[in-house]
Amino acid sequence: QSVLTQPPSVSGAPGQTVTVSCTGSSSNIGAGYDVHWYQQLPGTAPKLLIYGNNNRPSGVPDRFSGSKSGSSASLAITGLQAEDEADYYCQSYDSSLSGSRVFGGGTKLTVL
Amino acid sequence: QVQLQQWGAGLLKPSETLSLKCAVYGGSFSGYYWSWIRQPPGKGLEWIGEINHSGSTNYNPSLKSRVTISVDTSKDQFSLKLRSVTAADTAVYYCARVQLWFGAQDWYFDLWGRGTLVTVSS
Repeated sequence: QSVLTQPPSVSGAPGQTVTVSCTGSSSNIGAGYDVHWYQQLPGTAPKLLIYGNNNRPSGVPDRFSGSKSGSSASLAITGLQAEDEADYYCQSYDSSLSGSRVFGGGTKLTVL
Repeated sequence: QVQLQQWGAGLLKPSETLSLKCAVYGGSFSGYYWSWIRQPPGKGLEWIGEINHSGSTNYNPSLKSRVTISVDTSKDQFSLKLRSVTAADTAVYYCARVQLWFGAQDWYFDLWGRGTLVTVSS
């Protein structure tokens, strides 16, 4: 059971826009901690996609964007492409117990 | 460009100690924290812990009693030891670079190793 809740799957047709949600609580996202997003293509290591809620590392297309509000965050992917089919994970910090970096359970994006 | 190369034993018996190493090539070692993250087959990511060049560590409270992360600055390497493994520790283990960002709670992982599959089976 992940501290950050993501939908198990989302899907969309090429060219469409999809969003992936990441819902937390007052001990993590709601406490003001930043949210980061990773993309994991099949059989590969995760790759940083968004950092600090809404910043893209160089080389990440501007089709990917992040936002945060209250205890939740979202990743939006516009102009869906077949190569976007992957697992997406959010990450933040949770201050409960002794504190820990935490991930969402992951969301599988299927491009129809 | 910076690369992380990791290695270690891939098959363990229950109660043994998992031992993995990660070497940093092509960039600064001392300016970052370095982390271990694992992913059980078909499941999500779990942060294990992190260390800096001075040996300062932070651990996941759920694993803290069994984990030791250490550093060898002479080789730009850091290591993971996980004691008393069980089948539940079967996972792909990743080493990663921690990018410092505003408060310590806001750090993130900007560079990942390829991963090492560790299987625990009798």
